[in-house]
Amino acid sequence: DGGITQSPKYLFRKEGQNVTLSCEQNLNHDAMYWYRQDPGQGLRLIYYSQIVNDFQKGDIAEGYSVSREKKESFPLTVTSAQKNPTAFYLCASSFMWATSGANVLTFGAGSRLTVL
Amino acid sequence: GQQLNQSPQSMFIQEGEDVSMNCTSSSIFNTWLWYKQDPGEGPVLLIALYKAGELTSNGRLTAQFGITRKDSFLNISASIPSDVGIYFCAGRGGGSNYKLTFGKGTLLTVNP
Repeated sequence: DGGITQSPKYLFRKEGQNVTLSCEQNLNHDAMYWYRQDPGQGLRLIYYSQIVNDFQKGDIAEGYSVSREKKESFPLTVTSAQKNPTAFYLCASSFMWATSGANVLTFGAGSRLTVL
Repeated sequence: GQQLNQSPQSMFIQEGEDVSMNCTSSSIFNTWLWYKQDPGEGPVLLIALYKAGELTSNGRLTAQFGITRKDSFLNISASIPSDVGIYFCAGRGGGSNYKLTFGKGTLLTVNP
């Protein structure tokens, strides 16, 4: 079945450590996105990528980094520079050029990061 | 930037009741989407709207793209316990920017 796989589901990190969250999709989607979700805050865009080897900062990119070496993969690194990293992280993907369905994001099941 | 106001923030209803929630934008959107998120999971698409005035149903769910293109609503009829979750609206404006803007969500609780 096609879909988006995020791993790990739960992750604990000590302050000062970098951590990488994995996101893989087999939907042949062009674009991939990372969102952060905090209680009562909705979804805030961290980074997005429309094509391989290219990505753009979202609204809250500080303290995060990404790469897009393959169409199927868009890992997110939460660096020690992120001041409040404890959150639920959601990866999503979409087609870019379809006449219908463009911008209809398909989400993964999320990764919950807790900084101890 | 674009902003979405989603209301209400939360709702507590009895099973069998109808529910209505809405989103308004500070600018014109040309796509409206409604998602539902179960606890600890990712959002799942419920309804997508692409034309002003469009009214679309998905089972007990009905959503409309406002004529002004600055608002959308979602109705749930005859609610059941599994309707519990957070409902998000999302919209996209014009231009080549493919980013979606999300509302902050409506938390729905259904009492059996």
